[in-house]
Amino acid sequence: LAKTTQPISMDSYEGQEVNITCSHNNIATNDYITWYQQFPSQGPRFIIQGYKTKVTNEVASLFIPADRKSSTLSLPRVSLSDTAVYYCLVGAMGDSSYKLIFGSGTRLLVRP
Amino acid sequence: NAGVTQTPKFQVLKTGQSMTLQCAQDMNHNSMYWYRQDPGMGLRLIYYSASEGTTDKGEVPNGYNVSRLNKREFSLRLESAAPSQTSVYFCASSEALGAYGYTFGSGTRLTVV
Repeated sequence: LAKTTQPISMDSYEGQEVNITCSHNNIATNDYITWYQQFPSQGPRFIIQGYKTKVTNEVASLFIPADRKSSTLSLPRVSLSDTAVYYCLVGAMGDSSYKLIFGSGTRLLVRP
Repeated sequence: NAGVTQTPKFQVLKTGQSMTLQCAQDMNHNSMYWYRQDPGMGLRLIYYSASEGTTDKGEVPNGYNVSRLNKREFSLRLESAAPSQTSVYFCASSEALGAYGYTFGSGTRLTVV
C-alpha cells in the first residue's frame, strides 16, 4: 500500500483558500487518491477522489501533478465549519488487499 | 436513506463484560468494515467483510469477533471487554473492496471501566 504523508495541522482564516498537500511517493499505476473529512464526534465523510490532473466538485478541488507522487486538496473560501481533520488515502479500485487505512490526517483550524 | 446506522451510540461496560455493536446499511453495498478511533488518532481497521459470507482480520483484530449476518448487517462483538478497548467504533460500507467511496456511520462511543 502506498504510504502517505500529510502535515499534522494547518491554520487558516475565514474566506481564505486552503491547500493541503499529501505526499505518496510510491503510488502504484492503478492507485486512486481519495480525501475524507472528519468532524469531531462524527465518522469520516468522502470529499473527493481523482487519478490524475484536476478534479473539482461542489466541495473541493483535487490537483494531481503528472508524476502523481503528491496531491493537493484545495478548499476555496473556507468557513468556520470547515474546521475538521482531513485524510489522504491511496489505493486501487477492486484491489482485494486494499483496506482503507487512515493515518493521523491534517487538522485544519479555521479562525474568524 | 439512512446510510449506515450504528447502535448503540454510547455504552459503558465493566471489565470482562461482553457486548455486540450493531451496524446496518441500506445502500446495497457489498463490503463492510469496523474501525476504532482512539483520541487524537486516525482510524484503525479491526475487521472487514468483502462480501456477504466472508470476513477477514484487519490491523487490530485481537479481542473482537464479527458476523456478517446478511448483506445489510455487520456486527462486532467484544467477548470480554478490557479498558484498552475504550474507543469510538465506526462501521463503514462501500460498493466493493478497493478505492470506492466509503460511507461511515456516526459511531459508538464505548467506555470500559
